Amino acid sequence: KNEVEQSPQNLTAQEGEFITINCSYSVGISALHWLQQHPGGGIVSLFMLSSGKKKHGRLIATINIQEKHSSLHITASHPRDSAVYICAPTSYNTDKLIFGTGTRLQVFP
Amino acid sequence: EAGVVQSPRYKIIEKKQPVAFWCNPISGHNTLYWYRQNLGQGPELLIRYENEEAVDDSQLPKDRFSAERLKGVDSTLKIQPAELGDSAVYLCASSLQGPTYEQYFGPGTRLTVT
Repeated sequence: KNEVEQSPQNLTAQEGEFITINCSYSVGISALHWLQQHPGGGIVSLFMLSSGKKKHGRLIATINIQEKHSSLHITASHPRDSAVYICAPTSYNTDKLIFGTGTRLQVFP
Repeated sequence: EAGVVQSPRYKIIEKKQPVAFWCNPISGHNTLYWYRQNLGQGPELLIRYENEEAVDDSQLPKDRFSAERLKGVDSTLKIQPAELGDSAVYLCASSLQGPTYEQYFGPGTRLTVT
């Protein structure tokens, strides 16, 4: 079993839909990152959080440390949101990011 | 504020040739990371620097890979000699002070070894 599990692996949405991507992890962490990667592009850090909830524009990230679960929400999705979204907790023991397998999102107009 | 800068963006070399990648982190960021990302996979940490000290190089294949971060700012990653399996995207990232801070990634260098 992977230390970080994301669901769904692939997601298709119509423009304007509300999107949720889930991340579960099994290791002790000091923080959790949500990253965005466009095809052939670099990685952009969206959020780093260790508790509660953060909001940036149409993006919201939440984390429940007790349940070892985090979610990334996109409100009013847009075709430019099409990308791979990666959950990457920082291991408390090793200080390394543990990368999830990613969720490929496609938003159609 | 400029982001993490990497060069070159693309490199094609023949196997057994040497290659070097350069990274300039965000100004003031003490921590610098080199990652390797194979197609369809998540990044794998190769080495992490705190200032000029390599604090985690456990995943760096030391027989052919080397890295340096002179003066605790810019860094270079070298492969000599390159093998076919080294084809990947090499990403540099930086954070303010250690792994509990947000990491900012560069655009990466796509290496193709033929």
